[in-house]
Amino acid sequence: DAKTTQPPSMDCAEGRAANLPCNHSTISGNEYVYWYRQIHSQGPQYIIHGLKNNETNEMASLIITEDRKSSTLILPHATLRDTAVYYCIVRVAGGYSTLTFGKGTMLLVSP
Amino acid sequence: SAVISQKPSRDICQRGTSLTIQCQVDSQVTMMFWYRQQPGQSLTLIATANQGSEATYESGFVIDKFPISRPNLTFSTLTVSNMSPEDSSIYLCSVELSGETQYFGPGTRLLVL
Repeated sequence: DAKTTQPPSMDCAEGRAANLPCNHSTISGNEYVYWYRQIHSQGPQYIIHGLKNNETNEMASLIITEDRKSSTLILPHATLRDTAVYYCIVRVAGGYSTLTFGKGTMLLVSP
Repeated sequence: SAVISQKPSRDICQRGTSLTIQCQVDSQVTMMFWYRQQPGQSLTLIATANQGSEATYESGFVIDKFPISRPNLTFSTLTVSNMSPEDSSIYLCSVELSGETQYFGPGTRLLVL
């Protein structure tokens, strides 16, 4: 699976949009971009995933660049409960391939 | 999505003993996974467990230390054997749905004294 690079930490004010970047310059054509988050000591929570088109669900939006070498997870109105470590992971589509977790980005949402 | 439970949620154990962690999911799934998260670290995959076959272990993890059972499509156990303080971690199970998305259980917090 391709390697990802994320900033170690970010800050965001409550109510503002949180934009979390991820670089995956070696991504292959059959690899999806997945985002998970882990709130302190809980199990990771699936957020969203995409192949090449932008995706949106009730939690977040995923913007993937046209060359697919980077992406941004957007939390449109961050709350204190969004404080967590956010992991960007690339994995092969289908085939039940494993997830490889990096260090992620620690997002701190402040009042 | 899937509802996944783990037992116990936490435990404190003495070195040299073993602990079996249970993972139950509310639907039938083909693939289940076991991860370890050491203090302050990210998640590391221990093994993949398919129903009806032997678990597949990642480099650095062996069956004698982490035996896994997968008796049916909704249940799996991970045993941490002959524990030492270095085994103090959060142990997490996850399930794969439709070959596309993994969902995680709440984790088992283990402290070995």
